[in-house]
Amino acid sequence: DAKTTQPTSMDCAEGRAANLPCNHSTISGNEYVYWYRQIHSQGPQYIIHGLKNNETNEMASLIITEDRKSSTLILPHATLRDTAVYYCIVRVEDYGQNFVFGPGTRLSVLP
Amino acid sequence: EAGVAQSPRYKIIEKRQSVAFWCNPISGHATLYWYQQILGQGPKLLIQFQNNGVVDDSQLPKDRFSAERLKGVDSTLKIQPAKLEDSAVYLCASSLQGASYNEQFFGPGTRLTVL
Repeated sequence: DAKTTQPTSMDCAEGRAANLPCNHSTISGNEYVYWYRQIHSQGPQYIIHGLKNNETNEMASLIITEDRKSSTLILPHATLRDTAVYYCIVRVEDYGQNFVFGPGTRLSVLP
Repeated sequence: EAGVAQSPRYKIIEKRQSVAFWCNPISGHATLYWYQQILGQGPKLLIQFQNNGVVDDSQLPKDRFSAERLKGVDSTLKIQPAKLEDSAVYLCASSLQGASYNEQFFGPGTRLTVL
């Protein structure tokens, strides 16, 4: 079973920031938070991951609370192409550990 | 860089028939995964290969599903016989062996409909 809980769906206006929350209250000290997204009719795509520090890349920012029990994925300027299902996953950074996907959050970016 | 290739993209069969899916991972990726994604759910891992050996097949319904990766490159996933509940998208993914965060690269998937 997935170790995270996410809202089922969210809307965001085009050009605004999309903030996607994720709760992972049982996260272990050696588990990372990963975000993937899945655009319709495509396979999931890696976005970002982090352990305890905030992370930023060309796609998004990841904010992890100090107690690590929750995190937020931020898409700073959402576009229509960002409409997708977003998955938050916690996972030990071990080669043998797999990703367990929950149902994710369906983000709809509205014009 | 070419991505993960899968074929066919769509397949419609009747229950009790057999079906096979093919996956070609990214060149140089030692690890290959097959996932099943039922409509409205996240992908569920079926089997993981490292080179041509099985690492994890604990969630593969072995009475009807089989998979192989004979030369450590391409892989096939077979269902025999198919059931209605096997209707799903079958995703193949690959990753570099030893990558620090083991990012998985997914193919576009094969959508299977069992009638």
